[in-house]
Amino acid sequence: AQTVTQSQPEMSVQEAETVTLSCTYDTSENNYYLFWYKQPPSRQMILVIRQEAYKQQNATENRFSVNFQKAAKSFSLKISDSQLGDTAMYFCAFMKYGNKLVFGAGTILRVKS
Amino acid sequence: EPEVTQTPSHQVTQMGQEVILRCVPISNHLYFYWYRQILGQKVEFLVSFYNNEISEKSEIFDDQFSVERPDGSNFTLKIRSTKLEDSAMYFCASSDIGGPSGGETQYFGPGTRLLVL
Repeated sequence: AQTVTQSQPEMSVQEAETVTLSCTYDTSENNYYLFWYKQPPSRQMILVIRQEAYKQQNATENRFSVNFQKAAKSFSLKISDSQLGDTAMYFCAFMKYGNKLVFGAGTILRVKS
Repeated sequence: EPEVTQTPSHQVTQMGQEVILRCVPISNHLYFYWYRQILGQKVEFLVSFYNNEISEKSEIFDDQFSVERPDGSNFTLKIRSTKLEDSAMYFCASSDIGGPSGGETQYFGPGTRLLVL
């Protein structure tokens, strides 16, 4: 079974600075997807970024980028130019093709002004 | 932009009562999911549904739970006899595997907050 580990329960960052959230996973699959979802206080689950395991290039979405290390089974999220609206719980998630999402325990990110 | 919707946003019920949580997935999506999140905990998979049948279910999804797609748009989760430990946020998600949206991405609804007293 797949597992996802987020080792940082809480992080904080000053507005406009950069922060990196860590995620590791365990799987024997070769083809899969990895995701970061954001959950603000409203508890809505919002997709931040997606990475296909077969792609070597790291995914980027505006201020959000990932560092995907397939051999190390590591998938970290970098948030540049942090904004107050980035304050949320961030979940890393693994998905085998056509299957369910397996979530990590989450990291609470607080952006301070 | 198309989105997944869920009703109600909040539901309070008495232990032992039946509840039905409703979801309208994105219209061209074919795969549907229910997840739940107990307060302060991680999001857990309950069940996936494709082609009018359950494709996978977790050990949480016992005989008290059922899912249905009664018409072409709604996707429901029924809890037959609620327990205190069913109190959680329930999320519906849908995906369009292989579709033009990029496929394999699950889009979540806003959730239904269920409180069992």
